This record gives sequence, structure tokens and C-alpha cells, in this order.
Amino acid sequence: EDQVTQSPEALRLQEGESSSLNCSYTVSGLRGLFWYRQDPGKGPEFLFTLYSAGEEKEKERLKATLTKKESFLHITAPKPEDSATYLCAVQNYGQNFVFGPGTRLSVLP
Amino acid sequence: DAMVIQNPRYQVTQFGKPVTLSCSQTLNHNVMYWYQQKSSQAPKLLFHYYDKDFNNEADTPDNFQSRRPNTSFCFLDIRSPGLGDAAMYLCATSNLQGGYTFGSGTRLTVV
Repeated sequence: EDQVTQSPEALRLQEGESSSLNCSYTVSGLRGLFWYRQDPGKGPEFLFTLYSAGEEKEKERLKATLTKKESFLHITAPKPEDSATYLCAVQNYGQNFVFGPGTRLSVLP
Repeated sequence: DAMVIQNPRYQVTQFGKPVTLSCSQTLNHNVMYWYQQKSSQAPKLLFHYYDKDFNNEADTPDNFQSRRPNTSFCFLDIRSPGLGDAAMYLCATSNLQGGYTFGSGTRLTVV
């Protein structure tokens, strides 16, 4: 059974304090690993897709990396507007999507 | 802009009173999904349509039904909402290239 776990469950950072969020997964056949940002009361907003181990993608202060067992979302010098829940999901070759529980990030000014 | 639109954003319904949530897309994606998301939890897949083929998750209660009259629209019908059905309901679409596009969600309150 495909599974996704995320850690930590919640993270509080000071503005400018860089950190990383972890997504660990087991999947029958990885088609892609996805990162989403979700603000309270809204639908998830797509951030990145990673397809193979060693792949990295960047967007502003965010950088996502992928290994065969986990993915990291690195946040460099975060700002208060980066506060959100970050969801990780894996898609297998059967097109099934499995979400992790998310990491709630709070960035304090 | 191509997008996934959910209406209404907020829905209040009475215990046991049928309610329908709607989703439309301009992406022309062939797969549409309905997820239920409760507070601080991951989205949980209820069912999905691959074109007109309906696929129900094994643990989706019979109380939840769906209709997809055409490529652009998909509806979630809750026949007899209970207090435990209060949640955010998310619609998403995808094509064969993978990746999901989500709507903004409908927050359902049952009173």
C-alpha cells in the first residue's frame, strides 16, 4: 500500500530562519511526487512535481529535492507570507494519488 | 485563465437534507476527482471519473454520490448529510500527463 508521511507536523520559524520539511514515501511505482501549498479555507495550490531521484526544483524561496525514499522542501529566509500548510503527495502508475497529512508552517515576523 | 471552479464556496445544510456541490473546469482534463478534507487532515479521495467511467473508493459511504454529465462539470451529492460530513470538499482535475489542479473548495457546514 502506498503511504506518505510528513514531518514535522507543525513548524514555527522566525522570519529569515531557514529550514526544511520532510516527506517520506513508499510507493509501488513512482510516477511523480508533488508539493502543494494550502492556505486556510482554500484548495491546495500546486508548487512542484519531481519525477526521479536527484531531481531538484526551485521557486522563489522554496527548493524541492527528491531521493528514492523521501523529498525535502527547503525554505530559505522565509517570510510571514510563506505561512501555510505544505502537502506532499505521490502518484503511482495507476494514476492514484496519495497525500501526506501536511506540515503546518508558521513564520513569525 | 483555465481553472477549476467550485460553487458555492460555503454551504450550510440541515442534518439529513440533501445537498449538491458543483465543480466545473475549463482545462478539458479527462479525469475529475472529489476529495473530502477535514480540519488538519490530508485530503481523502471519495471517487473519481475517468471520462465517463465512475470509480468509487472502497470506503466511501453510500451517502455520497456523484454525477458527471459532461467533460466540464462534476457534482457531488450528499443524500442525507450528518454532522460528521462537515468538511471541506475539494474538486480536482488531471490529464494523462499527471498532476492535479484543485478548485478552491466548498466548506460544508451541517446544522
